[in-house]
Amino acid sequence: SQQGEEDPQALSIQEGENATMNCSYKTSINNLQWYRQNSGRGLVHLILIRSNEREKHSGRLRVTLDTSKKSSSLLITASRAADTASYFCASISYSGAGSYQLTFGKGTKLSVIP
Amino acid sequence: GAGVSQTPSNKVTEKGKYVELRCDPISGHTALYWYRQSLGQGPEFLIYFQGTGAADDSGLPNDRFFAVRPEGSVSTLKIQRTERGDSAVYLCASSSLAGGDTQYFGPGTRLTVL
Repeated sequence: SQQGEEDPQALSIQEGENATMNCSYKTSINNLQWYRQNSGRGLVHLILIRSNEREKHSGRLRVTLDTSKKSSSLLITASRAADTASYFCASISYSGAGSYQLTFGKGTKLSVIP
Repeated sequence: GAGVSQTPSNKVTEKGKYVELRCDPISGHTALYWYRQSLGQGPEFLIYFQGTGAADDSGLPNDRFFAVRPEGSVSTLKIQRTERGDSAVYLCASSSLAGGDTQYFGPGTRLTVL
């Protein structure tokens, strides 16, 4: 079962505005990753933040992680129409015997209006 | 080098039939994952391979689903006696380390069971 939940489920903003998406998870994690998906096909990795990190930047992306609240946020600054996609957070947990499991939330559908 | 590839990109079959979905991971990646994604949902973990062995198959929904990776590279997901509820996009991902790192996804196979 999926353990992550993104908030909001859908977000519509004007080009140039910032977009913030939140994610919550339920169990202890090794790291948390954000992915982007266009048209329901392959996912593209955006950024990975480890459990001992609190904030990470990559270009126009900023990710925060609060392990005490089991939550993360993804901020996209100065959004562009090309940022329109679904965004998923995925938590990585060690499930024993050398095995890691990536658990996705349901995603936030972002629409950036030109 | 080339990314993760999956074949076929689309598969339409009739209820009760057997299907095989193929995944070619990035060369040298030891970890390989299969996920299933239904419309409007995030990817759902199915099985994880480390090398040739299935390190975690806890996500397989029932014994109609089986996956192999005989030489530690290409993997095949096999579904017996398909049901309409099996219709989804099946995604494959690979990573270079023991699963706890960035996963690179293929474009997926859209399976439709009539």
